[in-house]
Amino acid sequence: EADIYQTPRYLVIGTGKKITLECSQTMGHDKMYWYQQDPGMELHLIHYSYGVNSTEKGDLSSESTVSRIRTEHFPLTLESARPSHTSQYLCASSGGGETQYFGPGTRLLVL
Amino acid sequence: AQSVTQLGSHVSVSEGALVLLRCNYSSSVPPYLFWYVQYPNQGLQLLLKYTSAATLVKGINGFEAEFKKSETSFHLTKPSAHMSDAAEYFCAVSDLGFGNEKLTFGTGTRLTIIP
Repeated sequence: EADIYQTPRYLVIGTGKKITLECSQTMGHDKMYWYQQDPGMELHLIHYSYGVNSTEKGDLSSESTVSRIRTEHFPLTLESARPSHTSQYLCASSGGGETQYFGPGTRLLVL
Repeated sequence: AQSVTQLGSHVSVSEGALVLLRCNYSSSVPPYLFWYVQYPNQGLQLLLKYTSAATLVKGINGFEAEFKKSETSFHLTKPSAHMSDAAEYFCAVSDLGFGNEKLTFGTGTRLTIIP
């Protein structure tokens, strides 16, 4: 069982607010990922990190930003939330092998 | 560029019947292939993976998949469906063996089990 956590699980927030979605893993994995998933759609990679102080943008353009100051922590921030940011955000990690382990996700609703 | 096509966004089978979820991939290099399952309000859980070893891969919960290079397919099967199998299933591909560790997902197949 993978130990990867995301908070909050659900978030309803007004337009213009700054939000941070938290992701933590206790497996010591170097690689971490953020995916965006709209209802009934596939997952799109928006950010990834191969280690501390390493972050890259994914295949889907996103207005969010990420940081990787500690191995276990990979938060995602939206400086000014908009209704178009409403989605589910999934965090994942891998330990150098081929398997990515996923957190439970955060469902974000921006009003 | 790699891509995944899942035929059938919704599949319904009767309890006890065969489950077949289709996945075709496109990759310029030998791929690594995955099936993940997503239950409501949860993240993704790995069902099984193909990483260039045996072409018939067995996973959790009685699922298995066969890698067919000639057909560029990696279909997921289970001989007898159970009510607890109702979920969303995602096929994914990566070129991990060639330096690209990112996953590309299909659009998913929602499996419904009819009592």
